[in-house]
Amino acid sequence: GAVVSQHPSRVICKSGTSVKIECRSLDFQATTMFWYRQFPKQSLMLMATSNEGSKATYEQGVEKDKFLINHASLTLSTLTVTSAHPEDSSFYICSAAVGGVQETQYFGPGTRLLVL
Amino acid sequence: KQEVTQIPAALSVPEGENLVLNCSFTDSAIYNLQWFRQDPGKGLTSLLLIQSSQREQTSGRLNASLDKSSGRSTLYIAASQPGDSATYLCAVAGRFGAGTRLTVKP
Repeated sequence: GAVVSQHPSRVICKSGTSVKIECRSLDFQATTMFWYRQFPKQSLMLMATSNEGSKATYEQGVEKDKFLINHASLTLSTLTVTSAHPEDSSFYICSAAVGGVQETQYFGPGTRLLVL
Repeated sequence: KQEVTQIPAALSVPEGENLVLNCSFTDSAIYNLQWFRQDPGKGLTSLLLIQSSQREQTSGRLNASLDKSSGRSTLYIAASQPGDSATYLCAVAGRFGAGTRLTVKP
């Protein structure tokens, strides 16, 4: 149980385009979903926390207008990287929890974004 | 804001050696702590989850301990194998440490 999927697993896009990444909890309802970014040889950095039906809470330094997060249902959250640039190339990982940030998080397999 | 620190940043050991990875956190009011493994270019593999009411958890050759009062957790790997080579991450309340990159030499 507690499986989280992400789609796509890998995406290559041209600079200036927008990319949408989906995060789904397959066998449980996730009250809270988290989005992380990981640059090469670095750890995971929390970008934002989203609760179903409400606006996401962004970490300091993360542009909310660039990284749009939607958590419209208890099993789906999306991250849209708007007007992507090469510096946005990274590994994006989502996680889902039944409760809040203190609850056990279940991680998706990640999405590798390459912006040309 | 919770801050998580891991030491050492990198560790290289010969096969068969027992080893300890360390994780410290600043806010002791936690519900749980998780240890993960990440292979290069891959996602996270959950290793152990310790609830705040627990002192340790064991899975095979892995043993994780938790001392909330001191804000520390350790991951003990017994009889290390080359296949254990990976980066090990600890996470508390959504915050990750920088990880320990482990290399086990045959």
